[in-house]
Amino acid sequence: QQQVKQSPQSLIVQKGGISIINCAYENTAFDYFPWYQQFPGKGPALLIAIRPDVSEKKEGRFTISFNKSAKQFSLHIMDSQPGDSATYFCAACEEGGSEKLVFGKGTKLTVNP
Amino acid sequence: EAQVTQNPRYLITVTGKKLTVTCSQNMNHEYMSWYRQDPGLGLRQIYYSMNVEVTDKGDVPEGYKVSRKEKRNFPLILESPSPNQTSLYFCASSDTLGQGDWNEKLFFGSGTQLSVL
Repeated sequence: QQQVKQSPQSLIVQKGGISIINCAYENTAFDYFPWYQQFPGKGPALLIAIRPDVSEKKEGRFTISFNKSAKQFSLHIMDSQPGDSATYFCAACEEGGSEKLVFGKGTKLTVNP
Repeated sequence: EAQVTQNPRYLITVTGKKLTVTCSQNMNHEYMSWYRQDPGLGLRQIYYSMNVEVTDKGDVPEGYKVSRKEKRNFPLILESPSPNQTSLYFCASSDTLGQGDWNEKLFFGSGTQLSVL
């Protein structure tokens, strides 16, 4: 049973465009929603995270939008750059249970120059 | 430099030959975990450890063993590897996971690509 469903599997965007990656979950006990970024040959690294008490969190060009009623959250990358080309993973866990963080299947983003 | 170090980076072995993938972190983190990454399946947790001598199963623990005798080390052991364990493995650590901290963050190693023939 997949706890966090991520889409699309791959995404191609032109430089300067907006990249949008979506995730959905079923477990209403999930309380923490991070996004990880992984470059080829490297381990994932935390990009940005959100808790359900806010609907949006922005850090530079990266924004998480959170819709608690729909049980969905998404990553928006504004003014996408070729250096943003990477695989992005959404994740989720229950309050106090982040040792069992569950990840989505990942989205491979390619930003063309 | 703060880091999680995995060895080896690449490993090719044959079915049934016991192997160990080492993981060491120099950040004095209490929490450590192992994940496997497979195309189309994302990252799946194998085992995790909240502290020394405390380990617990993740989502896909079958065929794997771990030990946590020291805080810095968390080796992954495959007693009898099989081809379905061919995968990219990541070790991760954190000083905040499981504590409800707002800044919870996993630090990942660079990965070990394992091929079991």
